[in-house]
Amino acid sequence: QQQVKQSPQSLIVQKGGISIINCAYENTAFDYFPWYQQFPGKGPALLIAIRPDVSEKKEGRFTISFNKSAKQFSLHIMDSQPGDSATYFCAANSQGGSEKLVFGKGTKLTVNP
Amino acid sequence: DSGVTQTPKHLITATGQRVTLRCSPRSGDLSVYWYQQSLDQGLQFLIQYYNGEERAKGNILERFSAQQFPDLHSELNLSSLELGDSALYFCASSVGPAGVGEQYFGPGTRLTVT
Repeated sequence: QQQVKQSPQSLIVQKGGISIINCAYENTAFDYFPWYQQFPGKGPALLIAIRPDVSEKKEGRFTISFNKSAKQFSLHIMDSQPGDSATYFCAANSQGGSEKLVFGKGTKLTVNP
Repeated sequence: DSGVTQTPKHLITATGQRVTLRCSPRSGDLSVYWYQQSLDQGLQFLIQYYNGEERAKGNILERFSAQQFPDLHSELNLSSLELGDSALYFCASSVGPAGVGEQYFGPGTRLTVT
């Protein structure tokens, strides 16, 4: 049972464009939604995270939009750069509970120069 | 650099063998998590320890076991290895117990079973 569904599986964007990756979750107990960035041969690195008390969180060129009623959240990368080319994973869990961090299957982003 | 260290970086072994993967969490972190990453299954949570005690279990096979030592480093033991166990194994750490706090990942151990 996949508790976090991520799309698209791969994404190609031109330099300067906006990259958008979407995730949907099922478990209403989830209250922590991080995004991880992984470069080839490296471990996932925490990029940005949001809790459901806000609908949007922005850090530099990276923005998470959160829709609690739809149980969806998305990552927007503004002014995408070739250095952003990586695999992005959304995840979710229940802080304070015993729920493990559940990951989406990942989106491979390629930003063409 | 996340501050989480894992050794070895690469491991090549034969089917039926046993290996041990080692992880040292970030300074001050009490929780250690183990994940398996394969191409078809993505990142799968295996097991979590908090301050030496098993805290949560995921899709961990009976052939696999883990422990966290008093100095908080953790080891993941994989035995009776099969070809399908070839994957990247990541360790992550966080400050608090299960589900609390951001998880920081190590660089991983690439296991190849031949």
